[in-house]
Amino acid sequence: SYELTQPPSVSVSPGQTASIACSGDKLGGKDAYWYQQKPGQSPVLVIWQYNKRPSGVPERFSAFNSGNTATLTISGTQALDEADYYCQAWDSGTVVFGGGTKLTVL
Amino acid sequence: EVQLVESGGDLMQPGRSLRLSCTASGFSFGDYAMSWFRQTPGKGLEWVAFIRSKIYGGAPEYAASVKGRFIISRDDFNSIAYLQMNSLQIEDTGIYFCTREIPHGPFDYWGQGTQVTVSS
Repeated sequence: SYELTQPPSVSVSPGQTASIACSGDKLGGKDAYWYQQKPGQSPVLVIWQYNKRPSGVPERFSAFNSGNTATLTISGTQALDEADYYCQAWDSGTVVFGGGTKLTVL
Repeated sequence: EVQLVESGGDLMQPGRSLRLSCTASGFSFGDYAMSWFRQTPGKGLEWVAFIRSKIYGGAPEYAASVKGRFIISRDDFNSIAYLQMNSLQIEDTGIYFCTREIPHGPFDYWGQGTQVTVSS
């Protein structure tokens, strides 16, 4: 079965750029989506259709997908960006999620 | 404004049945596929089931872990999606989320979740 792999944790200083990777076989040939989930809340879609942001998602969120890796980038990271981030893709009609990355802003 | 509100979560004994509801508003419910996910501390986000819109035949699909035990259905007139959970197992414990799906795309709206606990 298809798998997406994310690092368990990433740390970043306020104002710096955070990058969260998601790897999967030929992931660059698929559309990868990114979700943000804060403690006690439901996931929120932050990136879709390669690099589109839903209404309300700040411009500092962007993504790139090529080869076997999709990367979510948060520029000028703020304390309120501290959350779990999940990547998601479809493979053969099946939904696949990465294990999630805890972003710590310190 | 799109809203999805789950209800029905409870503390249940193994082997019992439970039905979750997802009441939708703010969009044309019948035009969208709807999905259920669950989340547990140990297993992260897990897709459980989805049901296509009537336009695409309305057929359901299930994760292997729940196939044969769970049934997803929809009431387009009242904008409600259901998840009938039978033969509950301890491993079914988690927060269950209802989502709206863009066909073979992202899940663009999520409900707040409802807690299901299966314990003897």
